[in-house]
Amino acid sequence: SYELTQPPSVSVSPGQTASITCSGDKLGDKYACWYQQKPGQSPVLVIYQDSKRPSGIPERFSGSNSGNTATLTISGTQAMDEADYYCQAWDSSTVIFGTGTKVTVL
Amino acid sequence: QVQLQESGPGLVKPSGTLSLTCAVSGGSISSSNWWSWIRQPPGKGLEWIGEIYHSGSTNYNPSLKSRVTISVDKSKNQFSLKLSSVTAADTAVYYCARRGRNDYGAPGDWFDPWGQGTLVTVSS
Repeated sequence: SYELTQPPSVSVSPGQTASITCSGDKLGDKYACWYQQKPGQSPVLVIYQDSKRPSGIPERFSGSNSGNTATLTISGTQAMDEADYYCQAWDSSTVIFGTGTKVTVL
Repeated sequence: QVQLQESGPGLVKPSGTLSLTCAVSGGSISSSNWWSWIRQPPGKGLEWIGEIYHSGSTNYNPSLKSRVTISVDKSKNQFSLKLSSVTAADTAVYYCARRGRNDYGAPGDWFDPWGQGTLVTVSS
């Protein structure tokens, strides 16, 4: 079955750039999206169709997808960005979520 | 602005059937969107359960397909989940979510918005 692999954790200093990867076989041939989930809250869409930002999502969130890897980049990371992040794609008419990455803002 | 709200029993006995409803407000369930159920065991990642269109067409996660039924009630603007033969492994926060549509009006690959989620515990 198809799998999406993310690093368990990423640490970043305030104001710096955080990059979260999502790896899957030929992921670049599919659309990837990303969700932010804070403790006790529902996931919130932050990137869809590889690189599009929904209304209300800050410009510091950006995405890319090529080859076997999709990447979520948070530029100028703020304390409020500390959360779990999940990538997601479709394979064979089934939704696949990534393993999740905890972003810590030190 | 569409909002989703899950409801249902928070405790289900092993071997029983889990039943949840998602009420849609601020929009019609008969819009050209698919509607999904997604779950998250405590401290773990997200798992897609399945989806339904207002016509009643469904798609299910193959790993759960034999136990899952998703239905729609257009008169009440809601859709429902039934998961049979539950075990402790089915303990999770259950979310409902709307699948997006792309610029051409076709189903997108993302989910937005999500409901607040409801915790269902399987225990005797």
